[in-house]
Amino acid sequence: QKEVEQNSGPLSVPEGAIASLNCTYSDRGSQSFFWYRQYSGKSPELIMSIYSNGDKEDGRFTAQLNKASQYVSLLIRDSQPSDSATYLCAVAGSSASKIIFGSGTRLSIRP
Amino acid sequence: ETGVTQTPRHLVMGMTNKKSLKCEQHLGHNAMYWYKQSAKKPLELMFVYSLEERVENNSVPSRFSPECPNSSHLFLHLHTLQPEDSALYLCASSQALGSTTRTEAFFGQGTRLTVV
Repeated sequence: QKEVEQNSGPLSVPEGAIASLNCTYSDRGSQSFFWYRQYSGKSPELIMSIYSNGDKEDGRFTAQLNKASQYVSLLIRDSQPSDSATYLCAVAGSSASKIIFGSGTRLSIRP
Repeated sequence: ETGVTQTPRHLVMGMTNKKSLKCEQHLGHNAMYWYKQSAKKPLELMFVYSLEERVENNSVPSRFSPECPNSSHLFLHLHTLQPEDSALYLCASSQALGSTTRTEAFFGQGTRLTVV
């Protein structure tokens, strides 16, 4: 089992709609969860972090965490063409100092 | 001045060369990471330094040798690389996990390495 799992996509969403990205993780003791956006040829950019169960909103982005289900999601409202990128879920494990990334979901916003 | 700076941005090296990648962070963090990103593969964690001690080494071949002289600088020394080592090498920094609840990692721009 992979430590952090995401659907690779591509996920195609019409402009203005809600994009929903999902992630599951295997380490039940994980405490910190992150979403990064990566444009082709660029480095990952942090867009959301979440540390406790529930929802966290920042502008058009909402991160959701359910530790019991070991599930993290990212919602992007009013999707824009500029949101087209690969979205990486990352989890800081309960032991050792490491942040593990999923393989990423490629999101495409169609005009 | 960006938070995490990597040099060089691009590097082409022969299999017999020795080169070094440099990373510098200006965020006051005390953990630094090297990741490798190959085409169509996920980010692979290579090394982690926390409070200047290496705390993670993910079975990386010895032709990659990290060095962390202080909490702001991280190097990756390369020698006798193979063509399959061609990839984007990313440096990141964060507060040390366990020292705080805020442990977001921030990345440098990466070094695009081509081994010929």
